[in-house]
Amino acid sequence: GQQVMQIPQYQHVQEGEDFTTYCNSSTTLSNIQWYKQRPGGHPVFLIQLVKSGEVKKQKRLTFQFGEAKKNSSLHITATQTTDVGTYFCAGLPLNTDKLIFGTGTRLQVFP
Amino acid sequence: GAGVSQSPSNKVTEKGKDVELRCDPISGHTALYWYRQSLGQGLEFLIYFQGNSAPDKSGLPSDRFSAERTGGSVSTLTIQRTQQEDSAVYLCASSPPASRDEQYFGPGTRLTVT
Repeated sequence: GQQVMQIPQYQHVQEGEDFTTYCNSSTTLSNIQWYKQRPGGHPVFLIQLVKSGEVKKQKRLTFQFGEAKKNSSLHITATQTTDVGTYFCAGLPLNTDKLIFGTGTRLQVFP
Repeated sequence: GAGVSQSPSNKVTEKGKDVELRCDPISGHTALYWYRQSLGQGLEFLIYFQGNSAPDKSGLPSDRFSAERTGGSVSTLTIQRTQQEDSAVYLCASSPPASRDEQYFGPGTRLTVT
């Protein structure tokens, strides 16, 4: 079946270091979204990417959508303790209505 | 404006009992989704509503699970004869018509089956 995998599963960084999570889909996607879930909280929508090769930035966060529209990445520059949480990608396969959520990457930032 | 709300926030029930979870989506949102999240795990899709109809029920784990949506608004997820493996956080999300792929999540209902 359709799957969306994320790596790494966990990442521990020192505050100020950069962080990247990668998302890979087994099928071509119409779009991809990213969500952040703080510990004990619910997922919060961050951004949606639609175009092949698209790059979007939100302050210290940079999101990329691969040329083949099967993979994506989220890069955080100079992490802060407020970045702690689990980052999920969610892809919408072509010709479907159902988002497939990735397995998530749990980020821990040490001060 | 008001976000997605869910009730109860916590539910503890005995094995074998039925439970009903409620979701109030954001007003005007036509799409509604139910997910399940076990402790420390990712999001497991359960069911999706477009209006009052459910075009995709493929994620419901068993026939003990059912969901309905009335008036294109409130949705209830019912679990009959609960089992311990049903313990999880049940999350509801809704999407506006203009951006059906952007989901707004409720705070979830933490279900514990003892």
